[in-house]
Amino acid sequence: GQQVMQIPQYQHVQEGEDFTTYCNSSTTLSNIQWYKQRPGGHPVFLIQLVKSGEVKKQKRLTFQFGEAKKNSSLHITATQTTDVGTYFCAGQNAGNNRKLIWGLGTSLAVNP
Amino acid sequence: NAGVTQTPKFRILKIGQSMTLQCTQDMNHNYMYWYRQDPGMGLKLIYYSVGAGITDKGEVPNGYNVSRSTTEDFPLRLELAAPSQTSVYFCASSYVQTYEQYFGPGTRLTVT
Repeated sequence: GQQVMQIPQYQHVQEGEDFTTYCNSSTTLSNIQWYKQRPGGHPVFLIQLVKSGEVKKQKRLTFQFGEAKKNSSLHITATQTTDVGTYFCAGQNAGNNRKLIWGLGTSLAVNP
Repeated sequence: NAGVTQTPKFRILKIGQSMTLQCTQDMNHNYMYWYRQDPGMGLKLIYYSVGAGITDKGEVPNGYNVSRSTTEDFPLRLELAAPSQTSVYFCASSYVQTYEQYFGPGTRLTVT
């Protein structure tokens, strides 16, 4: 079945270092969403990418959608302790059922 | 707006007991979802609904039932609880299937 793979599973960085998580789909996606879940919290929507090759920025976060609409990345510049949490990508397939397929997430730990 | 609310926040069940997890949203969203999240894992879709009176199975529906009698409410019923149902349960809603999902705070359920 359709899968969305997310790597790495865990990442431990020093505060101030950059961080990137990657999302790869086995099929073409109509769009991809990114969510952040703080420890003990619930997923919170960050952004949605729709267009091939799209790049969006939110302060220190940069989101990219691949040209083939099968992969995406989230890059955080100069991490802060407030960035701690798990980042999930969720891709919507380009077929009729449009179900959201979730990646397993990347857990980010930041050492102060 | 309260967004998506869930009750209870925590619950301990004995094997074989039943319970209903409540979910209410006040955003007039058509779509509602139930997910479970096991420790360190991603989100698995249990059931979803595209509107009042319409529900459909997700990827892990066994052992659960849902109903959607109103736009606002989407309760999840556990019959004959089993230890494998120990998890965190999140309810979410979205205006349409292609839009971002808003999550409730979750219910932490332990079955012993």
